[in-house]
This record gives sequence, structure tokens and C-alpha cells, in this order.
Amino acid sequence: GAGVSQSPSNKVTEKGKDVELRCDPISGHTALYWYRQSLGQGLEFLIYFQGNSAPDKSGLPSDRFSAERTGGSVSTLTIQRTQQEDSAVYLCASRLTGLTNSYNSPLHFGNGTRLTVT
Amino acid sequence: DQQVKQNSPSLSVQEGRISILNCDYTNSMFDYFLWYKKYPAEGPTFLISISSIKDKNEDGRFTVFLNKSAKHLSLHIVPSQPGDSAVYFCAASDSLPASGSRLTFGEGTQLTVNP
Repeated sequence: GAGVSQSPSNKVTEKGKDVELRCDPISGHTALYWYRQSLGQGLEFLIYFQGNSAPDKSGLPSDRFSAERTGGSVSTLTIQRTQQEDSAVYLCASRLTGLTNSYNSPLHFGNGTRLTVT
Repeated sequence: DQQVKQNSPSLSVQEGRISILNCDYTNSMFDYFLWYKKYPAEGPTFLISISSIKDKNEDGRFTVFLNKSAKHLSLHIVPSQPGDSAVYFCAASDSLPASGSRLTFGEGTQLTVNP
């Protein structure tokens, strides 16, 4: 597809279980970001991938959260031993880089995965 | 700390009138600002942006104003249409390589345009 694709669109899990969220960025976009939006909150940065560089994990809220990006394309965000406070919409975004002033190119978001931890 | 703040969680206007959404920031390193619009069950979509070297950028019905000294920006929509009803997020970034141009978002403002 032409846009950022995320799956699943909805996920309900029991507290303590692990979950994996998937993001398929726009083809050719080398930068990939994960954000989350908790109820009534703004978008909170989680992690950033740029090409083959080491990811910027500074936004991950705890060591239960991890993410990887294989082959510079698809990314998975894993949450281990989920807690109720992990309930949120997890948004993935990608961006075109490598051009002059590419830092100004906007992020393109997927529709998100709504995670509910019961 | 909340580096980007949208103090109004909601705004209601009549169709045809002007909508003004406000945003304040605290980080003086921010040099690029964007507005995103979000409908329910969809991801945010880019609306308009402005660089810190400008104080105004216009695109059709949408205009963004930047006041660097006040660390304030605003989005004007005129005339407002019912289809503009959505959550509007203000976002900012800096050009420092270490930050990867990641965006810092405000909390969002729910705009409702009444027919």
C-alpha cells in the first residue's frame, strides 16, 4: 500500500502477557518512529530508527518495551508482561530522509494499534 | 516536562467563522513547527508547517502564525467547515542531529465546527 500500515488494529490482552505490534513503513522511508497516545494525552515519543544507525530508545518507558527493525523496513514493538497502564493507541510513523532539509519532511502516520490490557 | 502545550482541550465554532487554535512551547532549540489533524480511529495527518525563519505560512484556508519571542504559535482556519471537526495537534522539532528530527507533540485540541 501507499501508506504506513500497522497491525493489528486492535489488541486486547490480559495483564502479564506479551504483545507484538507491527509496522510497515512507506517504501523508501528510512526513518521510522513509534509513538503512543494514552487516553486524553498527547503523542508520546517511544523510539526512533534511522537507517542502520543504533536506534534512539530514549522514550521507552521501561525495559519491558523493546523494538526492532529488520532489513531497514518492517518494525515490531514488543511489550513484555503487559500492565494496565500500557493501554494506549500505539502509532508508527515514517519519514523520507537523505534530501536537503529533509529534517523538515513531515511524518506519515499509520492508523495505530489500540492496545487494551485487562 | 511538557515542552509543547495546548492549553485548550476543546474549541467549538460555527460553520463559516474563524477557528483559532493555540500552542506554546518552552524549548528554544525548536526551529520547526507543524500542525497535525486527527480523526477518530485514524493516524494524525500533516496539515501545515512553519520554519522559525518565518512568522506566517498560509495554505488555502489554513494559516499558521509563529511568534518566536513569545514561544507561541497559532493555527487559523477560515472559513471553518464541519469537516474540519477533529483533534488538532501542535508539534515541534529541532535540527540537532542527535534528536533525529523527532516531533514533540502537544496534548491536542478537539475542534468542533457546528453547521
